[in-house]
Amino acid sequence: SQTIHQWPATLVQPVGSPLSLECTVEGTSNPNLYWYRQAAGRGLQLLFYSVGIGQISSEVPQNLSASRPQDRQFILSSKKLLLSDSGFYLCAWSPAGATEAFFGQGTRLTVV
Amino acid sequence: GQQVMQIPQYQHVQEGEDFTTYCNSSTTLSNIQWYKQRPGGHPVFLIQLVKSGEVKKQKRLTFQFGEAKKNSSLHITATQTTDVGTYFCAKRRDYGQNFVFGPGTRLSVLP
Repeated sequence: SQTIHQWPATLVQPVGSPLSLECTVEGTSNPNLYWYRQAAGRGLQLLFYSVGIGQISSEVPQNLSASRPQDRQFILSSKKLLLSDSGFYLCAWSPAGATEAFFGQGTRLTVV
Repeated sequence: GQQVMQIPQYQHVQEGEDFTTYCNSSTTLSNIQWYKQRPGGHPVFLIQLVKSGEVKKQKRLTFQFGEAKKNSSLHITATQTTDVGTYFCAKRRDYGQNFVFGPGTRLSVLP
């Protein structure tokens, strides 16, 4: 069966510090991968998605970047965090063809 | 354009009452998915609807896809405290391989 791992679960970072969140998927090949952000009590904002290694589509211009160095690995990064980067970051995958999405446990990021 | 709307934004019900959330799109949908997010948790896929007029049931949950494939609903019969959470509908984008989520309906169930 397929599983998705996302870490860390919680992160507190100072303004101006770098960020690296990692997500890996097991049990499937060539998945579509996604990074979403959810502000407190709000909906899901798509940040990046990838349909293959090295292929990244950015949905919202911002302080973040994403990379997919391996088929089942998706990384969300920032060189310098802003206070507004605080939120709940969710990695998700879907089968190629994008039917349903399966989410990781999420990382709750607080920038202080 | 690509957005899906959901109403209501919030719903407070007494345990045992029914609950319905509605999802609407300005464009015809190829499919619609529903997800549930418990407080503090991550969204969990519930179901996908693809056919016009389709109705699917999961225990006390009934999902419906409109005849014109522009709207969908989720109905919960006799709510329980375990139903608390935010319910999102989502559609696959008309282009690209990603999803557009509705803003969600947050359900509170008072015991």
